[in-house]
Order: sequence, then C-alpha cells, then structure tokens
Amino acid sequence: QKEVEQDPGPLSVPEGAIVSLNCTYSNSAFQYFMWYRQYSRKGPELLMYTYSSGNKEDGRFTAQVDKSSKYISLFIRDSQPSDSATYLCAMRTSGTYKYIFGTGTRLKVLA
Amino acid sequence: EPEVTQTPSHQVTQMGQEVILRCVPISNHLYFYWYRQILGQKVEFLVSFYNNEISEKSEIFDDQFSVERPDGSNFTLKIRSTKLEDSAMYFCASSGTGTAYGYTFGSGTRLTVV
Repeated sequence: QKEVEQDPGPLSVPEGAIVSLNCTYSNSAFQYFMWYRQYSRKGPELLMYTYSSGNKEDGRFTAQVDKSSKYISLFIRDSQPSDSATYLCAMRTSGTYKYIFGTGTRLKVLA
Repeated sequence: EPEVTQTPSHQVTQMGQEVILRCVPISNHLYFYWYRQILGQKVEFLVSFYNNEISEKSEIFDDQFSVERPDGSNFTLKIRSTKLEDSAMYFCASSGTGTAYGYTFGSGTRLTVV
C-alpha cells in the first residue's frame, strides 16, 4: 500500500461547482497535512496547512482531516477556471522535515 | 509577497558533468529544502538544511549530491556527476519556523541530462 494515495484525475467540473479533492494515507503517525496547487511547470503553491484532525477554512477553500479514517479532503467552493491546476496533498510525522507528497489530482474547471 | 527564487529555470548538461542549482530563499527563513519531481511523478524530498548543516536527507540524496549555503542569501544544490536519471524539476523551498508550517517553494529548475 502506498503511503499517500491520490486519484490522478483529471476531474472536470463546471464553473461555480463545489470541488472535493481527497487523499488517503497509511501511516497513522502523520500529523501535519498540507494542500498545494501546482500549475504546469511551476512550483507548488501552498493553499492550506492543517495540524492533526479537524477543519480549516480560508476563503473558498476548506481543508478537512479525518485521522480515524486516514483521509484528508480539500473543498473548493464556487470553483473558477483559474482553479484549473494539479492539487497535491502532502503530509509528515512529528520529528521529521520530510513531507510525503501524493501524486496530485488534475482539476479542470470549465467556463 | 516574498518568494523563493531559483536559477537557472532550465539547465541542459551532459552526463557526467557537474551542475549547481541555485536558490535564494525568503530572507528571514531559517530552514531550507530541496525536492525534485521527475516528469509525471510525485514531488520527492531530497534534503533539509538548518543552521549550516544537513538536518535530514532521503535515500535519493547520495554522495553525488551536496548542499551549501555559501553566503547569507544563497542556497545551492550540487550534483557532482550527473546521470540521465537525474533529469527532473528541482524545487527549492524554505520555511520560517521550521517544520511546523508549510513551505514556500520556488518555481523550480528543470534539469535535463543528455
């Protein structure tokens, strides 16, 4: 089983839709979770950071962590064509600098 | 907004040659990292650097690789003798308060080994 799994997509949605992006993981020791957005041939851009379980909201973005299910989600409300990108989840345990990334989900928001 | 700057954006080198990838982290950040992304694959951790020494490295970061902070602003990754499989995007990142928060990544250097 891979440490971090992410559906590669592509996920196509109409403009204005609510988008749900997900990652599952196998290591129950993961405590720090991040979501990044990556445009083609660019560096990852930090969207959301979450520690342990719970929800976090920032504008149109909501991150959720369910440690009991080893499952994290990123919701994008009122999606825009400019949200079209690859979304990466990343996570790590305490006491390490090393984030483990998912392979990314490609999102297309259609105008 | 502060950003991490990487140069060059694209480097082509012959197999066996040495390359140095350069990064200017955000000025008040203390923790620095290199990651790489082979085309179509996931972003992979290479090394972290704090207080002028390597704090953690992955199994990818073998003796061919080295990092240095030669002055107060630059952070470099050197690959001593490049191999074809070193072709990838190399991303530099930095963070201000260590591992507690997310990193800011640069736009990357595309390394092509021919």
